[in-house]
Amino acid sequence: DVKVTQSSRYLVKRTGEKVFLECVQDMDHENMFWYRQDPGLGLRLIYFSYDVKMKEKGDIPEGYSVSREKKERFSLILESASTNQTSMYLCASSQGGSPLHFGNGTRLTVT
Amino acid sequence: DAKTTQPPSMDCAEGRAANLPCNHSTISGNEYVYWYRQIHSQGPQYIIHGLKNNETNEMASLIITEDRKSSTLILPHATLRDTAVYYCIVRVAGSARQLTFGSGTQLTVLP
Repeated sequence: DVKVTQSSRYLVKRTGEKVFLECVQDMDHENMFWYRQDPGLGLRLIYFSYDVKMKEKGDIPEGYSVSREKKERFSLILESASTNQTSMYLCASSQGGSPLHFGNGTRLTVT
Repeated sequence: DAKTTQPPSMDCAEGRAANLPCNHSTISGNEYVYWYRQIHSQGPQYIIHGLKNNETNEMASLIITEDRKSSTLILPHATLRDTAVYYCIVRVAGSARQLTFGSGTQLTVLP
């Protein structure tokens, strides 16, 4: 079974801090994705990557950046955390057009 | 990617079949229908997908109308553990583009 592991289930950070969310997948998938999930808004794509060092903006990239130095790892970076970035963050991976496999999410609270 | 419409909530008695509808009237010929579900506090889980033929796997069946403008996910014998939000998505298979999730259907299986 594909495993997508997000480093933290819960995270509390202060406004203005730089925040790193880490995601690792163990199936050598080409594609990796970062979503945020908010009540009433569904899942919204922040960034995705289809290869090492490649990235593309999703629907809501503002205030975020990403890093993919190795195929198995995709990091989401909040350069200066703000309270409106309090959310559930979900990482996913896929191979080609195959279905996405999701991690269990990181619930980030910015105070 | 085409937009989908789902009812916000449904109930089903335990042991009965749960039939979850989805409208995707603007679906293109090369777009597949995917179903995911999300159990509280977990990441979305892939269930099934199809193009135009009906599909069945160990989790569910997918019925797609002949004009492909709607589909139904069937859980043949719902259990309490099937209580979740179910998302219907349409997407071009083989594309590395993101899946766009709507608000989904909250299915509650009642004892």
